[in-house]
Amino acid sequence: DSGVTQTPKHLITATGQRVTLRCSPRSGDLSVYWYQQSLDQGLQFLIQYYNGEERAKGNILERFSAQQFPDLHSELNLSSLELGDSALYFCASSVTMGHSYGYTFGSGTRLTVV
Amino acid sequence: AQTVTQSQPEMSVQEAETVTLSCTYDTSESNYYLFWYKQPPSRQMILVIRQEAYKQQNATENRFSVNFQKAAKSFSLKISDSQLGDTAMYFCASQDGGSNYKLTFGKGTLLTVNP
Repeated sequence: DSGVTQTPKHLITATGQRVTLRCSPRSGDLSVYWYQQSLDQGLQFLIQYYNGEERAKGNILERFSAQQFPDLHSELNLSSLELGDSALYFCASSVTMGHSYGYTFGSGTRLTVV
Repeated sequence: AQTVTQSQPEMSVQEAETVTLSCTYDTSESNYYLFWYKQPPSRQMILVIRQEAYKQQNATENRFSVNFQKAAKSFSLKISDSQLGDTAMYFCASQDGGSNYKLTFGKGTLLTVNP
């Protein structure tokens, strides 16, 4: 157990729907990162939050949004889902806004859009 | 922007032997960090080893070591005494040491350790 908790582990939904992925960072970590892993794009950075504030944005679609709550857990909202959104979504956390020791990753949420 | 290239999509090695995974990167930053992550079939991303770009000494973690060639922008991973549990996808990654600490990953190398 890495200490980063992601729920649910698996999610199957239909095109056009909206889903919410949840992440609880490791105790003491203030920064949360979201990554998308797909076969064709590899691991892509989506967005970063630090202590409740958005700090960096990557290749995140406008249909996707995220937030970090006062208790530091984060949610990634995916709407108007398309088949191409099927992927493994990782959350990672680190102590500071950036950490040279790398991140601690959760076990991911496998999203399948049918 | 940082880019990371892993030119070996798949590799295999016999148990107890040594294998080297290649990685090249490109960055305009003077301060950066390099990592190797392992993703076994459980899909958990596990940090294997890290290297600070300003350090010339190659990092070592037990059976894992790197060959960091800064001028060539090369960062290879050597696994000694390979074990069946080393079977996994290995990702090379770079991290900007500036204000944006996002990790940029390579496409990965699937390593299979054969008994």
